[in-house]
Amino acid sequence: SAVISQKPSRDICQRGTSLTIQCQVDSQVTMMFWYRQQPGQSLTLIATANQGSEATYESGFVIDKFPISRPNLTFSTLTVSNMSPEDSSIYLCSVEEGPYNEQFFGPGTRLTVL
Amino acid sequence: AQSVTQLDSQVPVFEEAPVELRCNYSSSVSVYLFWYVQYPNQGLQLLLKYLSGSTLVKGINGFEAEFNKSQTSFHLRKPSVHISDTAEYFCAVTLAVGGYQKVTFGTGTKLQVIP
Repeated sequence: SAVISQKPSRDICQRGTSLTIQCQVDSQVTMMFWYRQQPGQSLTLIATANQGSEATYESGFVIDKFPISRPNLTFSTLTVSNMSPEDSSIYLCSVEEGPYNEQFFGPGTRLTVL
Repeated sequence: AQSVTQLDSQVPVFEEAPVELRCNYSSSVSVYLFWYVQYPNQGLQLLLKYLSGSTLVKGINGFEAEFNKSQTSFHLRKPSVHISDTAEYFCAVTLAVGGYQKVTFGTGTKLQVIP
């Protein structure tokens, strides 16, 4: 299974600033996914990032707020822009493997916005 | 649309006691079912999955789950829990939407194993 790392593991940020989260996979993958896990809630898919094309955003998420880069088959970044306390959450990246698209997750980035 | 319901947000259980974490799903088509575990301050890890075939599936760490199509359930069980099983458990459903697999997660169940 893929091994996924994320940076930073956690951060505390001021309102109005932006944070870029990095996701590195140890193998080449076509699709990478970004999820948000707000306190006490389940995972919500933010967007799907394919290498060489624009990310596809889920309802309620927009590119201006969560710009995503996917420069190659092993790396992606998610930026949380103009942050507010409501953005405090765990952000997870994941990849799919196998014929049934099992999801493998990174360790997550725990973001606190003051 | 598919949805996943985990009725129990928290389940306390004594060490070495059995546990069942409930998961029900709604979908009008065939689905793939998964359980993930999230240990404190870590990402999600696949525990087990049901794709087809035998309705009783075994996963890591002594967990198993049974797919019940008539009740649209996929409950997770362990006959004897250990302190190290304290974690949050997520049920997930996957089905094909527009040519790709869409995953829906339940709200999670926090398992608290009491010494």
